[in-house]
Amino acid sequence: EPEVTQTPSHQVTQMGQEVILRCVPISNHLYFYWYRQILGQKVEFLVSFYNNEISEKSEIFDDQFSVERPDGSNFTLKIRSTKLEDSAMYFCASSSGLDEQFFGPGTRLTVL
Amino acid sequence: DQQVKQNSPSLSVQEGRISILNCDYTNSMFDYFLWYKKYPAEGPTFLISISSIKDKNEDGRFTVFLNKSAKHLSLHIVPSQPGDSAVYFCAASAGGNKLVFGAGTILRVKS
Repeated sequence: EPEVTQTPSHQVTQMGQEVILRCVPISNHLYFYWYRQILGQKVEFLVSFYNNEISEKSEIFDDQFSVERPDGSNFTLKIRSTKLEDSAMYFCASSSGLDEQFFGPGTRLTVL
Repeated sequence: DQQVKQNSPSLSVQEGRISILNCDYTNSMFDYFLWYKKYPAEGPTFLISISSIKDKNEDGRFTVFLNKSAKHLSLHIVPSQPGDSAVYFCAASAGGNKLVFGAGTILRVKS
């Protein structure tokens, strides 16, 4: 069964450093998303991406964040200068249309 | 952001019985609703969804009911199995692709 994969599973970084989280969506899906879940809080939408551009983003997704689909399979989330409050689980998701989204296992980001 | 609420933090059910998980929403623009199941250290797994034009959708042991006038949906699991023990999230979208999640309900199925 096709699935969304994410790497790394755990990333530890120093405050102020840049991190890139990687995702391989399901191959025939056209819509890609990033969500995050801070410990003890709800899963929050960050950004959606379709046809090589951002289709929607939340208030959280400020200038420190960017997304890219560098090739036909990968979808990345970059945080330019990490803050302590960026520590969270980051989930990538994909969908074939505006319907069910399928999530990856997540990357745990720890900012020290 | 309290647009999607799951007011029960946890639920405990005996194996073989029915589990009923509830979700309320406030945004009348929501037109698509989903339930996800999540185990620790894993991503949310899609379970079942329902469009606002329906009031019921069934898939095996899982049934979702939507009451638009009450802005309420529920997930029924019959019969409940120990492997169903997980966190269940309700999510909703409003004509687009952004999902708004509830806080989750921990379901424990006792054998």
